[in-house]
Amino acid sequence: GDSVTQMEGPVTLSEEAFLTINCTYTATGYPSLFWYVQYPGEGLQLLLKATKADDKGSNKGFEATYRKETTSFHLEKGSVQVSDSAVYFCALTTGGGNKLTFGTGTQLKVEL
Amino acid sequence: ETGVTQSPTHLIKTRGQQVTLRCSSQSGHNTVSWYQQALGQGPQFIFQYYREEENGRGNFPPRFSGLQFPNYSSELNVNALELDDSALYLCASSLEGARDEKLFFGSGTQLSVL
Repeated sequence: GDSVTQMEGPVTLSEEAFLTINCTYTATGYPSLFWYVQYPGEGLQLLLKATKADDKGSNKGFEATYRKETTSFHLEKGSVQVSDSAVYFCALTTGGGNKLTFGTGTQLKVEL
Repeated sequence: ETGVTQSPTHLIKTRGQQVTLRCSSQSGHNTVSWYQQALGQGPQFIFQYYREEENGRGNFPPRFSGLQFPNYSSELNVNALELDDSALYLCASSLEGARDEKLFFGSGTQLSVL
């Protein structure tokens, strides 16, 4: 079955540091890939997505590239801010619709 | 804010009881899905409703059931509660057929089973 593996957290960075959160996947067919963010006390928000190999999703300074050869979709940001502190989830769907398979999430803490 | 509202925000039940969680979809959305998020885990897909019918289900037993109403609001019902049902339950809505089928999540209902 489909699965998503994320690096464990928490990841603690200083403000303006470079961020990478690793995500690899296993899927039947050709998945669409997503990063969701969950701020404290809030629901999940779509951060970015990519629907085919070599696509790059980007939003709010975050980027991730769909790498079919390595089955990866790593999240990066060049300079994090305190306001980026949240839990980040990598996810995929192969059947379309709303059936997403999520990773376990990676907590990011950004300190001044 | 996404426009998806869930109620109640917190709930405490005892093992064996039944519970109903409610979700009001974002205006215009005709598809709703429910997810279970255990502590420290990612959300797991329970099921999806489109036009008042279930059209996709994850690996959850039949005691998890749902309804979608003509106004596209939705309920998640769980019978015979077990301790492992303690989790955050998330509702998400979308517009089936939209070019960008973006999911909008509510803030969830935190269910504790004692």
